[in-house]
Order: sequence, then structure tokens, then C-alpha cells
Amino acid sequence: EVQLVQSGPEVKKPEESLKISCKASGYSFSSYWIGWMRQMPGRGLEWMGIIYPGDSDTRYSPSFQGQVTISADKSISTAYLQWSSLKASDTAMYYCARRGGYGDYWFDPWGQGTLVTVSS
Amino acid sequence: QSALTQPASVSGSPGQSITISCTGTSSDVGDYNYVSWYQHHPGKAPKLMICDVTKRPSGVSNRFSGSKSGNTASLTISGLQAEDEADYYCSSYTSSSTFVFGTGTKVTVL
Repeated sequence: EVQLVQSGPEVKKPEESLKISCKASGYSFSSYWIGWMRQMPGRGLEWMGIIYPGDSDTRYSPSFQGQVTISADKSISTAYLQWSSLKASDTAMYYCARRGGYGDYWFDPWGQGTLVTVSS
Repeated sequence: QSALTQPASVSGSPGQSITISCTGTSSDVGDYNYVSWYQHHPGKAPKLMICDVTKRPSGVSNRFSGSKSGNTASLTISGLQAEDEADYYCSSYTSSSTFVFGTGTKVTVL
């Protein structure tokens, strides 16, 4: 069974750094893109970016370019989303999801989400 | 990249059919047959319901169907059931090799 399991909820202060994870199982991690999505409180889903673990090719939404870093570690089948300096406006639920194979432009399955709360 | 436009809410009685629209541009919805739809129950992971405009993944009820005309895609839920009450999001691949989601639609079963 293809599964994505995300790291647990985080409570951080502004300007702190953070790295959340998304561990994949049940398929060849290197061969499928992994995307990250944000859902701010009371708002809709936003596409943040995507990484191909096979060669670490990474694409970002213009809205998130320079604000976050997406990475992956093939050796432990895990993708990451990180911030160097959090802001209160980064408070949100973050989801990872596997993109379909070559030529597929959809996301399935999704992780359970990681709630990030940034507050002084 | 602006979010695709969806109605904020749609409602219907059990057994009825409802349609959710998803309007983009000629750089996303209108340029590719790569529109997907996701069902999101609060507190749970989003679930893929439709991919490639019209395709239903294995296990998804045939009460869900998708279509597209020009820059607007649509999701139709027929035979509405209480369990269909959720938020629904469309998504499209874009000419910038990125993805964009819709603004989301809350479906209420009356």
C-alpha cells in the first residue's frame, strides 16, 4: 500500500527555523514527484512546490519561491519542507502528496497533514 | 499564478445532482486536460476523486463525474448522499510547469 506519513504538529516562535517531513512507503520513492500544499486556517489549498527525489529537481510556486525549501533524502524515502525564519503567517496545515507517474498530473495519496503553529 | 475560481458553496438535497464549476485561464484549465478534483473532509487527508478531467480512480463512486469546456471544468455529483458533504477543490497543471488549486467549494447536503 502506498502511504505518506507526515511528522507531528509543531509549535514554534517567529524567526525560528523548522523542517517537517513526509515519509513514503509502498513504492519506489525516487521515481515519483512529491508535492507540498498549504492550507491556512479557514482557507483553501495552495500548491507550494514539488520535488523529484530521483535527481532532486525542484519546482516552486512563485508565491513560495524563496520562502521555503523543499528537499528529499532518497536513502530514507523522506521528503522535507523547511523554513529558515518562520512568520506568524506560516501558521497552517501542510500536506504532502505523491504526484502520479510520468505523464500524470494529479496527486494521490496525500499525507495526513502537519499542523504548524507560529506564535510568540 | 491566481487560484482557479470555484463557487464558495453549493447545496442540494439527498438524491439530487449538483455541479461545481472551476474556472481558470488559457494557461491552465484551457490549455491542458490535466484537471483533477479532490474531496476534503475536515481533519482528514484530501482524496482524489477525478483526474485528467473525466477519469475516476479505482474505488471512487460513479456518482462523481467530470467535464471541461474551454477554461471551465466541472464536477458533478449525482444521487447526492450525506457522506458527500465536504470541501471540494479542483486543480490544474499550468503552462509554467506548476500546479494551481481552486478556491474550494463547500458542499452541503440539506
